[in-house]
Amino acid sequence: AQSVAQPEDQVNVAEGNPLTVKCTYSVSGNPYLFWYVQYPNRGLQFLLKYITGDNLVKGSYGFEAEFNKSQTSFHLKKPSALVSDSALYFCAVRDMENSGYSTLTFGKGTMLLVSP
Amino acid sequence: EAGVAQSPRYKIIEKRQSVAFWCNPISGHATLYWYQQILGQGPKLLIQFQNNGVVDDSQLPKDRFSAERLKGVDSTLKIQPAKLEDSAVYLCASSLGAGGTDTQYFGPGTRLTVL
Repeated sequence: AQSVAQPEDQVNVAEGNPLTVKCTYSVSGNPYLFWYVQYPNRGLQFLLKYITGDNLVKGSYGFEAEFNKSQTSFHLKKPSALVSDSALYFCAVRDMENSGYSTLTFGKGTMLLVSP
Repeated sequence: EAGVAQSPRYKIIEKRQSVAFWCNPISGHATLYWYQQILGQGPKLLIQFQNNGVVDDSQLPKDRFSAERLKGVDSTLKIQPAKLEDSAVYLCASSLGAGGTDTQYFGPGTRLTVL
């Protein structure tokens, strides 16, 4: 079975500082990994995904994520946080070995709060 | 390009009543998903359609939930009768295909409150 862990319920960071939102995963084969962001009363917005290739993936709004196979992690990062980045962030995984119709499994989410 | 459309945005019903949600996916997207997001949790897949056929409904409580995607475009999710624990946000998503690399794009969701 595949699973995702987001160990932090909330991350607090000051505007202008770098931010990291942590994600670890478990799959039987190789993973496809995704990050989504959810603003209040809105659906999930796609940020970025890792399929294969370069371990550093760049996405929307200046976000990037680093795939680390040995640590089974896919942490979301941004060099300089903005107050407008405050939102709920979800990591998700799909097992590449069973990717035909396999489920996308989401973590429980991490609330990011960026203070002015 | 228009995104995934959902209606209504909010719904309040009494337990044991029925309710229906509608979703129109991004044009050309063959795969459509319905998710349930309970407060404080990540979305959980209820059902996945490929065109107008069901490919995964293993997590759908079939005694009370039903869904259809006639003509392979828009879809309806129904709950009958509703229970208190069905209070959640119901998200619809679509993707171009059903492959592992396909990105799912989400609608704004329908917030259901069951009293």
